[in-house]
Amino acid sequence: TQLLEQSPQFLSIQEGENLTVYCNSSSVFSSLQWYRQEPGEGPVLLVTVVTGGEVKKLKRLTFQFGDARKDSSLHITAAQPGDTGLYLCAGETSGSRLTFGEGTQLTVNP
Amino acid sequence: DTGVSQDPRHKITKRGQNVTFRCDPISEHNRLYWYRQTLGQGPEFLTYFQNEAQLEKSRLLSDRFSAERPKGSFSTLEIQRTEQGDSAMYLCASRYPGTYGYTFGSGTRLTVV
Repeated sequence: TQLLEQSPQFLSIQEGENLTVYCNSSSVFSSLQWYRQEPGEGPVLLVTVVTGGEVKKLKRLTFQFGDARKDSSLHITAAQPGDTGLYLCAGETSGSRLTFGEGTQLTVNP
Repeated sequence: DTGVSQDPRHKITKRGQNVTFRCDPISEHNRLYWYRQTLGQGPEFLTYFQNEAQLEKSRLLSDRFSAERPKGSFSTLEIQRTEQGDSAMYLCASRYPGTYGYTFGSGTRLTVV
């Protein structure tokens, strides 16, 4: 069983602060994806990382894939209330299914 | 194409009843996935199809659950003899061949009372 552990599980910060969410596993993934989910909606894909050591930036969000392709991080700079949501990492092996972490519930207070 | 559609959005049913959910994927996407998500947890894989073939089923998919994708287009997920533990959000996702990203629908929220 491939497990993805996300930390922290909950994060409440003030607008303008920086934060990092971690996603760790003992398994190697062919790709790792980050999603954001709003209440009552399905997850929405933010980014996919494929190569070990890869770094991708999406405006104020920076995603990194570990060299061994077992872990990843999401860093948000100058968080805004609109960043509030559930952030999910998901790993894929062999092009079949995604295994999700438990998620990080982020609240950014104005 | 407006994305992945799921119907109904919400379903309340009495324990022991059967329910069926429908998913319409993006038309060019040949892979279709079903996931289940309970409150405070990430989605858990249930099953997936490539075209009309069901290629993998999770152990979570007990014999009360059945999924079909008869013509390789829309899919249905049926739960027979529902139990309170079946209460969850049921998510459908589809993917274009050769790409990584999944497109999820808005889900069907099932409440078993």
